[in-house]
Amino acid sequence: EPEVTQTPSHQVTQMGQEVILRCVPISNHLYFYWYRQILGQKVEFLVSFYNNEISEKSEIFDDQFSVERPDGSNFTLKIRSTKLEDSAMYFCASRTSPEGTQYFGPGTRLLVL
Amino acid sequence: GENVEQHPSTLSVQEGDSAVIKCTYSDSASNYFPWYKQELGKGPQLIIDIRSNVGEKKDQRIAVTLNKTAKHFSLHITETQPEDSAVYFCAASEADSWGKLQFGAGTQVVVTP
Repeated sequence: EPEVTQTPSHQVTQMGQEVILRCVPISNHLYFYWYRQILGQKVEFLVSFYNNEISEKSEIFDDQFSVERPDGSNFTLKIRSTKLEDSAMYFCASRTSPEGTQYFGPGTRLLVL
Repeated sequence: GENVEQHPSTLSVQEGDSAVIKCTYSDSASNYFPWYKQELGKGPQLIIDIRSNVGEKKDQRIAVTLNKTAKHFSLHITETQPEDSAVYFCAASEADSWGKLQFGAGTQVVVTP
């Protein structure tokens, strides 16, 4: 069964450093998402992406964040200058259409020291 | 924007008993309500979903009910088994969004043999 995959599974970084989280969505999916989950809190929407551009973003998704689909298969989330409060589990998701089921990857646990 | 409340935060049930988790949403325009199961170290996995044109949906031991007037929906698990132990999240999707999901806070379900 097709799956959303994410790498790395864990990342530790120093405050102020740039990180890139990578996702490979399911191959025939067209809509892509990033969510995050701070330990013990809700899963929060960050951004949605369609047709090579951001379709919607939350207040969390400020200028420090960017997304890209560089090669037609990968979907990346970049955090330019990490802060302590960026420590969270980051989930990628994809779907075929806005009405389709949203499939989640296993997540990347980011720890900012 | 949409706000989803979920109760209870923890639920302990004896194997074979039923479990019920309840969610309320704030935006009457929301029209899609999925439920996800998250096991330790994994991403959320869809277990059942319901759209606003349907009042109830069942899949084997799992059922979801939706009351649009009261803006609440519930997950029912019958004949619980130890492998049902996990965190369960409800979510709602706004009709005019690009499919972003607003999640509830989650319910930790523990099924004791």
